[in-house]
Amino acid sequence: DADVTQTPRNRITKTGKRIMLECSQTKGHDRMYWYRQDPGLGLRLIYYSFDVKDINKGEISDGYSVSRQAQAKFSLSLESAIPNQTALYFCATSQTGGFTDTQYFGPGTRLTVL
Amino acid sequence: QKEVEQNSGPLSVPEGAIASLNCTYSDRGSQSFFWYRQYSGKSPELIMFIYSNGDKEDGRFTAQLNKASQYVSLLIRDSQPSDSATYLCAVKPGRRALTFGSGTRLQVQP
Repeated sequence: DADVTQTPRNRITKTGKRIMLECSQTKGHDRMYWYRQDPGLGLRLIYYSFDVKDINKGEISDGYSVSRQAQAKFSLSLESAIPNQTALYFCATSQTGGFTDTQYFGPGTRLTVL
Repeated sequence: QKEVEQNSGPLSVPEGAIASLNCTYSDRGSQSFFWYRQYSGKSPELIMFIYSNGDKEDGRFTAQLNKASQYVSLLIRDSQPSDSATYLCAVKPGRRALTFGSGTRLQVQP
């Protein structure tokens, strides 16, 4: 079984709809992240959480919200989806400690907003 | 100025050659540096990380770090067609989360 899972893997929705993307991990990591990826723009950080009670905005948080339901679960919501939120979304995890903070990524969710 | 800059490429090298990928960063407080490989439509996967000045080797891959010049590079020896992918440089600026560059697309020609 994959260590970091994302559901759904693909989603097509309409403008104005509320969407939730879910991420679960079995790695036992305390840190979780949400990124979006657009062609030519690399990975951009939306929100990150260093533990259940520590949630922080990333560089592009407008239009998004998150919930850290448990150490292993981190959900991303689009309250009212718009077409420019069409992108590939990745969840990632890492473990506190040392310099490295290596991140491990889920398989991604491809979201299309019509 | 972007926090992490990479040439978007494509960088084209023949099979068996050395591919050299470069990355510069702006935050002098950055502590650790990562190279990820991403195949089209797939998630990024870690190749290696480095946090001390100098070279770090892992198989065909060598990461090089020069903090004074704020420069990180990745060398891939004996490049194979299977190395064709986008390579993402990421930097950890202190306690904050990783910041990624936009990636360099590598094409290895058979």
